[in-house]
Amino acid sequence: RKEVEQDPGPFNVPEGATVAFNCTYSNSASQSFFWYRQDCRKEPKLLMSVYSSGNEDGRFTAQLNRASQYISLLIRDSKLSDSATYLCVVNEYNNDMRFGAGTRLTVKP
Amino acid sequence: GAGVSQSPSNKVTEKGKDVELRCDPISGHTALYWYRQRLGQGLEFLIYFQGNSAPDKSGLPSDRFSAERTGESVSTLTIQRTQQEDSAVYLCASSPAGTAYGYTFGSGTRLTVV
Repeated sequence: RKEVEQDPGPFNVPEGATVAFNCTYSNSASQSFFWYRQDCRKEPKLLMSVYSSGNEDGRFTAQLNRASQYISLLIRDSKLSDSATYLCVVNEYNNDMRFGAGTRLTVKP
Repeated sequence: GAGVSQSPSNKVTEKGKDVELRCDPISGHTALYWYRQRLGQGLEFLIYFQGNSAPDKSGLPSDRFSAERTGESVSTLTIQRTQQEDSAVYLCASSPAGTAYGYTFGSGTRLTVV
């Protein structure tokens, strides 16, 4: 099941930097999209949904490009607390969820 | 309940023993997933239940692994004759019907086979 691909990183950025992650998916019929965050030795938690028109939540912006079958996550003004693994999730027909392997982000002082 | 509950939170077992892991999804959630995550690795799909449909078992790594779910309630994941490579965190997630919702994860069962 490798329908969702992510760059594993790691991304090492200084505090205050802007960082972007991309994720590609193979099934053009995929219906909904999400970004999850997973902290070390914790379960994944929903960060934000990704809508066709793009959406923003504070410093986080998610975008969907259906034509090219990718989604992106942009983090502005990175904080130390943003350090985590970010998982791309694609929801196919009948609620069948596919996870990417995750992109590891480390924000350094 | 308020969230997805998994038990036990930690399990240490001897090689060759059988273990049973339990997941209590959020009430009313029709979809339920089991994932495995080895230390430092990504999520590995095991099995997916959606309502009363036949489960998708395509991720189960061997016939030592099985899972059951009765209706839309509790699910159990059973590992028979455990091996050291089975050591991992086993995560359960559930979701309401429909594709617009993300999944909520339990905090997992950390299985160590010695």
